[in-house]
Amino acid sequence: GESVGLHLPTLSVQEGDNSIINCAYSNSASDYFIWYKQESGKGPQFIIDIRSNMDKRQGQRVTVLLNKTVKHLSLQIAATQPGDSAVYFCAERPGGGADGLTFGKGTHLIIQP
Amino acid sequence: DVKVTQSSRYLVKRTGEKVFLECVQDMDHENMFWYRQDPGLGLRLIYFSYDVKMKEKGDIPEGYSVSREKKERFSLILESASTNQTSMYLCASLTGPMDYTFGSGTRLTVV
Repeated sequence: GESVGLHLPTLSVQEGDNSIINCAYSNSASDYFIWYKQESGKGPQFIIDIRSNMDKRQGQRVTVLLNKTVKHLSLQIAATQPGDSAVYFCAERPGGGADGLTFGKGTHLIIQP
Repeated sequence: DVKVTQSSRYLVKRTGEKVFLECVQDMDHENMFWYRQDPGLGLRLIYFSYDVKMKEKGDIPEGYSVSREKKERFSLILESASTNQTSMYLCASLTGPMDYTFGSGTRLTVV
C-alpha cells in the first residue's frame, strides 16, 4: 500500500507568501527523503533531500523539516514566485540499497498574483 | 549534467500491440528504474535494474517486462498493451548514492 502521502492535492498561495507542503510517511525504516518538483511536461526534478539522522536542512529559498516522531516531512518555500508553480512530490527510500523510491501522490502548488 | 533520455514524448498504440519504451542515460550508471505516473496515485515503481542483464520487480510489474542488454539503455516492454496501461511513464537513473535523475517522460495512450 501507499506508505508516503501528502495531505493536500492542491495548495494555492499568493505570490510572495511562504508555502508549506506537507507529507506523511509510514515506513520508520526509511533512511532518506527527497522532495521533487515536477513542472508540466517534464520529469520530476530534485529540490532538496534530508537524511533520517537530521531534522532540518536548508537550501536556496527551500527548507525541509523532518519529524520522525510523527513521521512527517514538510517543504517550505520562502517568498513564493510564479516559477514555483508545479506539482511537488515527497519520496522516501526504505532502508537499504538502491531499490527505488516510494513517492507520495503529489501536491499541486498554484501561485496567485 | 547527467542526461536521461526517453525516446518518445507521446505514443498512441492499439490494444494488444507490443510496445517498447526506451530510456538511455549517458553517465554509465548501474541503477535504472521505470515508474508510471497516474493522477491521484503518484509515481509507482514498475521494474528496476542494478546492472546489465539484471532486473528486479517493483511494486506493479504485472503486464510489463524489461530489457537491459547494455548499461546505458533500459527498455520497458508492454507485451500486449491494454487500455489500463495508458499512463505517463518515467525512467530514472541513479546518479549518486541517493540522487535520482528522471527523464522527461513518455505519455502512452492505448486505444
